[in-house]
Amino acid sequence: NAGVTQTPKFQVLKTGQSMTLQCAQDMNHEYMSWYRQDPGMGLRLIHYSVGAGITDQGEVPNGYNVSRSTTEDFPLRLLSAAPSQTSVYFCASSYSGAPGRADTQYFGPGTRLTVL
Amino acid sequence: GNSVTQMEGPVTLSEEAFLTINCTYTATGYPSLFWYVQYPGEGLQLLLKATKADDKGSNKGFEATYRKETTSFHLEKGSVQVSDSAVYFCALRRGGGADGLTFGKGTHLIIQP
Repeated sequence: NAGVTQTPKFQVLKTGQSMTLQCAQDMNHEYMSWYRQDPGMGLRLIHYSVGAGITDQGEVPNGYNVSRSTTEDFPLRLLSAAPSQTSVYFCASSYSGAPGRADTQYFGPGTRLTVL
Repeated sequence: GNSVTQMEGPVTLSEEAFLTINCTYTATGYPSLFWYVQYPGEGLQLLLKATKADDKGSNKGFEATYRKETTSFHLEKGSVQVSDSAVYFCALRRGGGADGLTFGKGTHLIIQP
């Protein structure tokens, strides 16, 4: 049971380049999400998905796209990278909560992205 | 909207000292509350959680009690070790499935031998 895995661990891009951050989980979790972590800001939600074929925006979605074609995978795409997207990106997954129930989210190891 | 406020630090303590990291929250409804820990160069690990008022979460000697009357979830440990040096995040999540976590900004804890 690998939990939540992310690739790559490190990436350097030039402004305007595109790339996809990969995220996979093997816990059969319905809910998956992407966060970015910036110094002094904590973690902020970018996009999330409550199941295959369903995605929605979080707090800071601009500049990012997501899709969810399978339960296991939830890639994050940067279409045209900007220096403001330099950050550490974390993927997380959990069971979808029944009404009134908020399940624990499990985090991947993170991807450190630098945009020059 | 939801928000979490925690002391930002860095907090520097000597080994075996008593630790308190304050956390207060604002949320509608009845959120679940979490403490996550991030060791240098690693991702976030769940430390403990509480899902309803007056619940106490505990793990590895750390404790936190869900206080609805003061909207708080303070993290405590009776005797810290050098290995506890890390960044600690308080977070909340509302029930219902669609909400992600709302995080505080994190508290950097440094334990000196």
